[in-house]
Amino acid sequence: NAGVTQTPKFRVLKTGQSMTLLCAQDMNHEYMYWYRQDPGMGLRLIHYSVGEGTTAKGEVPDGYNVSRLKKQNFLLGLESAAPSQTSVYFCASSTYTGTGTDTQYFGPGTRLTVL
Amino acid sequence: SQQGEEDPQALSIQEGENATMNCSYKTSINNLQWYRQNSGRGLVHLILIRSNEREKHSGRLRVTLDTSKKSSSLLITASRAADTASYFCATDYSGYSTLTFGKGTMLLVSP
Repeated sequence: NAGVTQTPKFRVLKTGQSMTLLCAQDMNHEYMYWYRQDPGMGLRLIHYSVGEGTTAKGEVPDGYNVSRLKKQNFLLGLESAAPSQTSVYFCASSTYTGTGTDTQYFGPGTRLTVL
Repeated sequence: SQQGEEDPQALSIQEGENATMNCSYKTSINNLQWYRQNSGRGLVHLILIRSNEREKHSGRLRVTLDTSKKSSSLLITASRAADTASYFCATDYSGYSTLTFGKGTMLLVSP
């Protein structure tokens, strides 16, 4: 059981370049999430998905797009990277109990620098 | 913003001492969760406490929840150097299917 994996671990982009971050989970979880973590800001939700083929906006969605074509994968895209998107990106997955959001399992993170 | 707040922002103690971190939130919740993050790593789940629960234990961890005050506390007893990490509370607000994380408490346990 690999849990939640993220690819790549590190990336440096130039302003205006595009890239896709891949998140994969092998726990058959319905829910998947993308967060960014900046110093002193905690984790902020970018986008999330409650099932295959569905996505929704979180707190800070601007400049990002996502897709959930397969249940186990959740992709985060940056179409035109900006220095403000320099951050550490975390993916997470969870089940939903019907009475609330369950434990979230996190990937190891992707450290992205935009020059 | 619905973001909860942890208090204190940073805490420095000696091994063997207890560490208490607090979390306040804003509206009604389904549950509240505590996570730990070692430097440069992903978050790891510690405890989930539901809105109808008042206290939960897991090993050296004790979490309390006071819904009337909209607050929770995490107590780590007999701290070890290996407990050095950032600790985050996350709230599952009623009507949502996401968690809202606070900014965290950085705990430093010195040998």
